[in-house]
Amino acid sequence: EPEVTQTPSHQVTQMGQEVILRCVPISNHLYFYWYRQILGQKVEFLVSFYNNEISEKSEIFDDQFSVERPDGSNFTLKIRSTKLEDSAMYFCASSDLAGIQETQYFGPGTRLLVL
Amino acid sequence: AQTVTQSQPEMSVQEAETVTLSCTYDTSENNYYLFWYKQPPSRQMILVIRQEAYKQQNATENRFSVNFQKAAKSFSLKISDSQLGDTAMYFCAFMIGQGAQKLVFGQGTRLTINP
Repeated sequence: EPEVTQTPSHQVTQMGQEVILRCVPISNHLYFYWYRQILGQKVEFLVSFYNNEISEKSEIFDDQFSVERPDGSNFTLKIRSTKLEDSAMYFCASSDLAGIQETQYFGPGTRLLVL
Repeated sequence: AQTVTQSQPEMSVQEAETVTLSCTYDTSENNYYLFWYKQPPSRQMILVIRQEAYKQQNATENRFSVNFQKAAKSFSLKISDSQLGDTAMYFCAFMIGQGAQKLVFGQGTRLTINP
């Protein structure tokens, strides 16, 4: 069964450093998302992406964040200058209108720790 | 704004028992979708079941079923014959419309199945 993959599974970085989180969505999916979950809290929407542009972004997704689909398979989330409060689990998800509609399938997540 | 409320922070039942997790939501929209996701200790988000708001019939997936009460804006999850592997956080989520739409999650219910 196709699945969303994410790399790395864990990342530790120093405050102020740039990080890039990578995702490979399910191959025939057209809609891509990033969510984050601070430890012990609920999952929060960051951004959605369709047709090579951002469809919607949350208040969390400020100028420090950016997303990109650099090729036909990868979908990345970049945090330019990490802060302590960026420590969280980051989930990538994808969905496709042609398949099981409206269902977002999540990757296993990247656990980011900012020191 | 759309909100999702899970009023049970924690629940605990014996193996093989039936357990029901509650979820209510708030929206003025008519076209929306509801989901239950499971998050085991590995923290991966796994889709359990989905429900389209326009369908009156409650969704079922093997031991998992929902009780969808549209007028009451209630969407509870019933797990029958619970198993130790069902131990996880369960998140109710809500999405409006189609395309690149964000999921709005509840705070989650931590379910423990005891042997």
